[in-house]
Amino acid sequence: RKEVEQDPGPFNVPEGATVAFNCTYSNSASQSFFWYRQDCRKEPKLLMSVYSSGNEDGRFTAQLNRASQYISLLIRDSKLSDSATYLCVVSGGSSGGYQKVTFGIGTKLQVIP
Amino acid sequence: ETGVTQTPRHLVMGMTNKKSLKCEQHLGHNAMYWYKQSAKKPLELMFVYNFKEQTENNSVPSRFSPECPNSSHLFLHLHTLQPEDSALYLCASSPRTNRQQQFFGPGTRLTVL
Repeated sequence: RKEVEQDPGPFNVPEGATVAFNCTYSNSASQSFFWYRQDCRKEPKLLMSVYSSGNEDGRFTAQLNRASQYISLLIRDSKLSDSATYLCVVSGGSSGGYQKVTFGIGTKLQVIP
Repeated sequence: ETGVTQTPRHLVMGMTNKKSLKCEQHLGHNAMYWYKQSAKKPLELMFVYNFKEQTENNSVPSRFSPECPNSSHLFLHLHTLQPEDSALYLCASSPRTNRQQQFFGPGTRLTVL
């Protein structure tokens, strides 16, 4: 089983739609969770952290379900500028004495007019 | 943004060439990373440096040789690469104590002929 699993998509949604992505992780000892965004031919950038209580940043809502070992990202009122690949990132365990950080393959979102 | 810069942005090389990729960060971080990003694969961590010391080498072939002369600069020396090494090579930096929040450079798109 992959350490961090995501549906690569693409998800094609019309402007204004609500879309949700899930990500599952295999290491139950994982401690921190993030969503990164990567635009086409650009570098990944941190979008938001994910907390157990859920957190919201404008149109974006992130949720964590530790029991089922998955995290989600909900985007409301999709904009054309939301088109990108969304990378799930999980941190936990130890690697070389430091926390291990693992990236998912990313889910591609295409918002269409 | 000029937090993390990489040069060159694009590189085409033959299998017998020797080239180097350069990364520089202006964020005051003391951890730096090299990642490889290939199509349809998650980001692959190659090397990690903390305070100029290499702390991780994820079974990377010896044809990739990293160098970290100080906390702000990171190099990746390339020698006798294979066509399957063609990929986007991303440099990132973070505070040593917060590896989850990494700032990426724009990457070098490498093509090996």
